[in-house]
Amino acid sequence: DAKTTQPTSMDCAEGRAANLPCNHSTISGNEYVYWYRQIHSQGPQYIIHGLKNNETNEMASLIITEDRKSSTLILPHATLRDTAVYYCIVRTRTGANSKLTFGKGITLSVRP
Amino acid sequence: NAGVMQNPRHLVRRRGQEARLRCSPMKGHSHVYWYRQLPEEGLKFMVYLQKENIIDESGMPKERFSAEFPKEGPSILRIQQVVRGDSAAYFCASSPGQENTEAFFGQGTRLTVV
Repeated sequence: DAKTTQPTSMDCAEGRAANLPCNHSTISGNEYVYWYRQIHSQGPQYIIHGLKNNETNEMASLIITEDRKSSTLILPHATLRDTAVYYCIVRTRTGANSKLTFGKGITLSVRP
Repeated sequence: NAGVMQNPRHLVRRRGQEARLRCSPMKGHSHVYWYRQLPEEGLKFMVYLQKENIIDESGMPKERFSAEFPKEGPSILRIQQVVRGDSAAYFCASSPGQENTEAFFGQGTRLTVV
């Protein structure tokens, strides 16, 4: 079972920041927070991941609260092509439990 | 560096036939994961393999499904005696396996059983 909870859906205007929340209150010390997205029926696309520090790459920023019980994925300037299902996943670092367990995700709709 | 390659992209099989799905991981990746996505549903983990070893097969159906990742060549997901309910998109992902690394997915194989 997924160890995260996300809203079912949200929308935002093109060009604005999209802030996608995720709760993972039972996360343990050896688990990372990963974000993936799936555009229509394509293969999931890796976005970003982090342990406890905030992370930024060319796609997005990941803000993790100090207690690590929740996080926010930020797409700074959403475009229509960012419309997708976004998955927040907690994942053990390595070993037999290192699979990604997908929940239902949040459907982000970017409107013109 | 080529991404995760899956083939075929589309596969049609009649009920009772065998389906063989291939996954070539990214260069340098020795860990492979297989997932299934039924129409309008989420991604379900099936199996996690390292070279020549099955690490976690907790998501594999007990019958008709098998997976391998040989020392040489791609990982293979095999479905014997396919039924209509096997129709789905099958995705594989690969990773280097070390701590703090990401897993990358292929574009999937869409299996249709007629």
